[in-house]
Amino acid sequence: AQSVTQLGSHVSVSEGALVLLRCNYSSSVPPYLFWYVQYPNQGLQLLLKYTTGATLVKGINGFEAEFKKSETSFHLTKPSAHMSDAAEYFCAVTDASGGSYIPTFGRGTSLIVHP
Amino acid sequence: DAGVTQSPTHLIKTRGQQVTLRCSPKSGHDTVSWYQQALGQGPQFIFQYYEEEERQRGNFPDRFSGHQFPNYSSELNVNALLLGDSALYLCASSLVSGNYEQYFGPGTRLTVT
Repeated sequence: AQSVTQLGSHVSVSEGALVLLRCNYSSSVPPYLFWYVQYPNQGLQLLLKYTTGATLVKGINGFEAEFKKSETSFHLTKPSAHMSDAAEYFCAVTDASGGSYIPTFGRGTSLIVHP
Repeated sequence: DAGVTQSPTHLIKTRGQQVTLRCSPKSGHDTVSWYQQALGQGPQFIFQYYEEEERQRGNFPDRFSGHQFPNYSSELNVNALLLGDSALYLCASSLVSGNYEQYFGPGTRLTVT
């Protein structure tokens, strides 16, 4: 079984400040890891993913995440927050066994950006 | 290139009624998955369809059923609606060969009163 824990249901930052959203996972097999963003009244948009290879993954809108196997973490960062980054962020884990790739999502972290 | 589309956008139903939600996958995709997202929660997997067959199912009762058509579009049916079925229902499409990358539609907001 796999699971995802997102630390902090809300994260508040000032515009221009560093964004750090935390995600820890558990998986019995090597995981595929994802971050999605959801704007109000919209579906989920893939920000970035880790499958294999380089552990530092760059995504859209200046976000990046680093897969740390020893810490079972996949934290999302952005050097400088913009007002348009305010949204709900979901971390998800899936594994490649069986070929079904069904993701398990965390409960989400709401990013609030203050001017 | 059209992305994933869902209809309707919003829906209000009464307890005990039945509802059908529709999804058209992204062009070229052959696999459709459905998720339920309750308020303040992450999406929960309901089931996945490929080649018109249910490929995998999450922990949802039989009141939730689905269908995939030859053109890969899909329907989600929920019978005997409960208040707890109120949620955002998301459809995601993918390629079976690259199934881990799913593209989500905007969702259907279902309210059960």
